[in-house]
Amino acid sequence: DAKTTQPNSMESNEEEPVHLPCNHSTISGTDYIHWYRQLPSQGPEYVIHGLTSNVNNRMASLAIAEDRKSSTLILHRATLRDAAVYYCILSRIAGGTSYGKLTFGQGTILTVHP
Amino acid sequence: DAGITQSPRHKVTETGTPVTLRCHQTENHRYMYWYRQDPGHGLRLIHYSYGVKDTDKGEVSDGYSVSRSKTEDFLLTLESATSSQTSVYFCAINPGTSDPYNEQFFGPGTRLTVL
Repeated sequence: DAKTTQPNSMESNEEEPVHLPCNHSTISGTDYIHWYRQLPSQGPEYVIHGLTSNVNNRMASLAIAEDRKSSTLILHRATLRDAAVYYCILSRIAGGTSYGKLTFGQGTILTVHP
Repeated sequence: DAGITQSPRHKVTETGTPVTLRCHQTENHRYMYWYRQDPGHGLRLIHYSYGVKDTDKGEVSDGYSVSRSKTEDFLLTLESATSSQTSVYFCAINPGTSDPYNEQFFGPGTRLTVL
């Protein structure tokens, strides 16, 4: 599986935008870029995913570099509830002969200050 | 919230004892997964299932077995628990479709302590 590289930790202030980077220089053409986050004492939860184009949903935006070797998760206005570990994961979509297996790295610990 | 539950939520057992963890879903999703998470680590895949009676190994499957006799239940068994299997275990489900999202929904976790 292709690997991702994320900073160990980042800090932000409440109501400010947060840009969480991820490098994935060995990404393959069939790999989607997924972001999950894990709040303290909870299971991970899905944030967003994309293939080539930038994506937006109610939680965040995902900006994907043109060569797909890096991406950035954007939280437009951080709240205290966004303090979590954020995981950037490469995986094929589940379906057909792909099983949607996720390989979690260490992730980025996001601290949000009031 | 996705209809996924895990039982038990907490368990303390002794070395050498068999242990079974249950993951139950009400979503009729095709794919189910078992992960473990140790302090300072991300989640690691133990086993996964892509249908009833269809299972395969993940990256840390030694010492674990699974069974899926019906869509809604995915059981993880430690045949003879060891202290190295002390961990938090998460189950996840995935519908395997692209509409609206092809994402994994995670259960609340089971904290297992092997003494």
